[in-house]
Amino acid sequence: KAGVTQTPRYLIKTRGQQVTLSCSPISGHRSVSWYQQTPGQGLQFLFEYFSETQRNKGNFPGRFSGRQFSNSRSEMNVSTLELGDSALYLCASSSNSGSRGAYTQYFGPGTRLTVL
Amino acid sequence: AQTVTQSQPEMSVQEAETVTLSCTYDTSENNYYLFWYKQPPSRQMILVIRQEAYKQQNATENRFSVNFQKAAKSFSLKISDSQLGDTAMYFCAFTPMGGPGGYQKVTFGTGTKLQVIP
Repeated sequence: KAGVTQTPRYLIKTRGQQVTLSCSPISGHRSVSWYQQTPGQGLQFLFEYFSETQRNKGNFPGRFSGRQFSNSRSEMNVSTLELGDSALYLCASSSNSGSRGAYTQYFGPGTRLTVL
Repeated sequence: AQTVTQSQPEMSVQEAETVTLSCTYDTSENNYYLFWYKQPPSRQMILVIRQEAYKQQNATENRFSVNFQKAAKSFSLKISDSQLGDTAMYFCAFTPMGGPGGYQKVTFGTGTKLQVIP
């Protein structure tokens, strides 16, 4: 099976712009979670989607939003970018099927966002 | 709310030696999973080992093993015969077991940076 893929891998934007990041989960996985990773704050949970529904959201401002499509692919959008949004954005998928190991998250390589 | 604590920000070990990374967690859940993830300098987060809380037997994956103490809420990772490729950031993580299609939120620790010295 192919792993979790994220596009683009690198992105440079300027303050005030918006950005959309994409994540394709492992085939058969219905849960997709997004994380922001920075040297100062570590790994912070953004949100989780399952069957096109956002089930949980972390403590981030409304500028951060996401969605999930019927094929489980997910996008994350950040509007009105700020310098502090510079980070590695990681996507992870899991099956949540109830079977053993269903709650194991498998990560993509991440998208490195730089805001100038 | 669940919390995961990794009290060792950085550690080093000589190649071929054994090292143990510590992790403690706090939860009121009874059924959950614990994980150790490895993130090498290339940045890809990789699953190292997984433990289901209902299993008393400690999980083992080749050179990696855990010491799971449920009552003490402790979940340490032991790396035997350390190799240069083990150099990475290691994250301990927790998720409650929500059932099929159940709610999932993984809580990560702050990480331990492990350096394997030749």
